Amino acid sequence: QSALTQPASVSGSLGQSITISCTGTSSDVGNYNLVSWYQQHPDKVPKLLIYEDHKRPSGVSNRFSGSKSGNTASLTISGLQAEDEADYYCCSYAGSLHSLYVFGSGTKVTVL
Amino acid sequence: EVQLVQSGAEVKKPGESLKISCKDPGYTFSEYWIVWVRQRPGKGLEWMGIIYPGDSDTRYSPAFQGQVTISADTSTSTAYLQWNNLKASDSGMYYCARLVARAADVWGRGTLVTVSS
Repeated sequence: QSALTQPASVSGSLGQSITISCTGTSSDVGNYNLVSWYQQHPDKVPKLLIYEDHKRPSGVSNRFSGSKSGNTASLTISGLQAEDEADYYCCSYAGSLHSLYVFGSGTKVTVL
Repeated sequence: EVQLVQSGAEVKKPGESLKISCKDPGYTFSEYWIVWVRQRPGKGLEWMGIIYPGDSDTRYSPAFQGQVTISADTSTSTAYLQWNNLKASDSGMYYCARLVARAADVWGRGTLVTVSS
């Protein structure tokens, strides 16, 4: 099972909104409402931002939102802040007939 | 904040064996799946496998099947990741995390494994 496809990098200015895409297939992203998103700062532990496509865990800023259309999930960061500069990974459940889970390739977000 | 407690960094030689651990200091160890994730230096996250400590049901990513062994001990609330024949390509950071709603919500700090002759 190949990694989900994410853009290698996305950049935006302070206060701007950006969207990171995560493209899979009808076997993973398109088949389950189980996409999660993680933020990882350099040399830090990944942090869960979104689960079940669009739900935010307690304590995660509402500037982070998730959505999905077909085989592509998206993470939108609104009101971009300096501390949002990090790597972002999507992950989808893929079912027991496949690889169970598959991560995205990762996106480096740069705040200009 | 609840966090899983992972064992310390390891330096090993190719061909050696290794078992790293991940302890849940809370009281919910048997109730959630635990996932192991690899991150090679400068690279992305790779899911390796999961285990349900309650009944030791274990599933592996095809990429890691036969390469590692995942186990758990409910008496000590600890999950393990084991290699019997380390390779240089096994070098990296290994994270354990708790799965809730098919998402990793609580992570360990990671165990850095270095395999070098």
